[in-house]
Parts: sequence; C-alpha cells; structure tokens
Amino acid sequence: DAKTTQPTSMDCAEGRAANLPCNHSTISGNEYVYWYRQIHSQGPQYIIHGLKNNETNEMASLIITEDRKSSTLILPHATLRDTAVYYCIADRYGNKLVFGAGTILRVKS
Amino acid sequence: NAGVTQTPKFQVLKTGQSMTLQCAQDMNHEYMSWYRQDPGMGLRLIHYSVGAGITDQGEVPNGYNVSRSTTEDFPLRLLSAAPSQTSVYFCASSYSFGGNQPQHFGDGTRLSIL
Repeated sequence: DAKTTQPTSMDCAEGRAANLPCNHSTISGNEYVYWYRQIHSQGPQYIIHGLKNNETNEMASLIITEDRKSSTLILPHATLRDTAVYYCIADRYGNKLVFGAGTILRVKS
Repeated sequence: NAGVTQTPKFQVLKTGQSMTLQCAQDMNHEYMSWYRQDPGMGLRLIHYSVGAGITDQGEVPNGYNVSRSTTEDFPLRLLSAAPSQTSVYFCASSYSFGGNQPQHFGDGTRLSIL
C-alpha cells in the first residue's frame, strides 16, 4: 500500500471551508484514496473515497489531482463538531486499512 | 439498527489473566476486523475475517486469538494479558472483502493491564 503524508495539525474558523491535504506520490493505479475521521477517541468514521475522479457526498468533497499524487478533503462549512483527527489512506480494497498519525483539525469559533 | 457493538467498554486486567472482547454487527457484513490504537498513534490491524469460518492475521497478531463461528460475531481473545496490550481496541465491519466498501467501526473497548 502506498504511504500517505499529512500535516500534523490544522486550524479552521467555524463556518469556513476546511481543506485537508494529503500526499500519496507512490500510489498505484488500482489504489483508492480513503478518508476517515476520529472524533475524541471514538471509533473512526468513514467520510469519502475515490479513485481518480472528484467525489462529493453529504459530508465532504474529495479532490484528486490528475496525476493522483495528492488529494484534498474539503469540509465545505466546518463546525465545532468537525474537530477531529482526519486520516488519509491509500488502499486497493478498503479493508485492511493502514492508519498513520493523521491531521488534527481544530475548528475554532 | 445498532451497527457494530463492542463489549465491554472498559476493562482492567491483571498480567496473565485472559479475557474475550466481544464484537457483534447486525448489518449482515461478511468482513470483520480488529484494530488496536495506542496513545497518539493510528490504528493497527490485529486480525480479520472475510466470512464465517475464515480468519487471518493482520499486522500485530501476537498474543491474540480470534474465531468466526457466525456472520454476526467476531470475538477477540487475549490468552495471557501483558502490560504491552494496554490499548483501545476497535472492531470494524464492511459488506465484503474488496469492493471498496466503507468500514463501520464500533466505539471501542478501553483495556488496561496492570
């Protein structure tokens, strides 16, 4: 599985868009990019995943660069409840996930 | 619809004791797995199962045993607890192995071994 690199932490103002970057320069053609988050030591929560096209659901948008070496998770209107650790994972099947340290997102009022 | 249910939520053990962490899901998911999370770190895969009667090892399987006799349940057994097994344990499930299905996680079991 490809290794991913994320910033250690980020701050975002409440109501503004939160843009969380992820680098996965060694990703292979059949590996998807998955995003999960973990709120205050709860179990991780699935957010979104994609292969090469941009994806959007009710929680977030995922923008993947054309060369697939990086991606950005966008929370369009961050709230205090979005404060969490966000994990970017590259995996072919989405089952045996390898979690790194993730990005701590702090949403501030 | 309860999703993934883990019991107990908290447990304290003495070194050498054994115990079973329970995990049950009511979504008819074929794939189930166990992770552990140590302070300040990401989750690491312990064991997984692609269906009833089939289990396999993950990244950190030593000291743990699993079985899968039904689709719904996937218990994790600590055979002889050690302080190094103090951690938070998460169970997860998904519709199948492969197919890029979202993983559903339980709320975790916080285990301390003295």
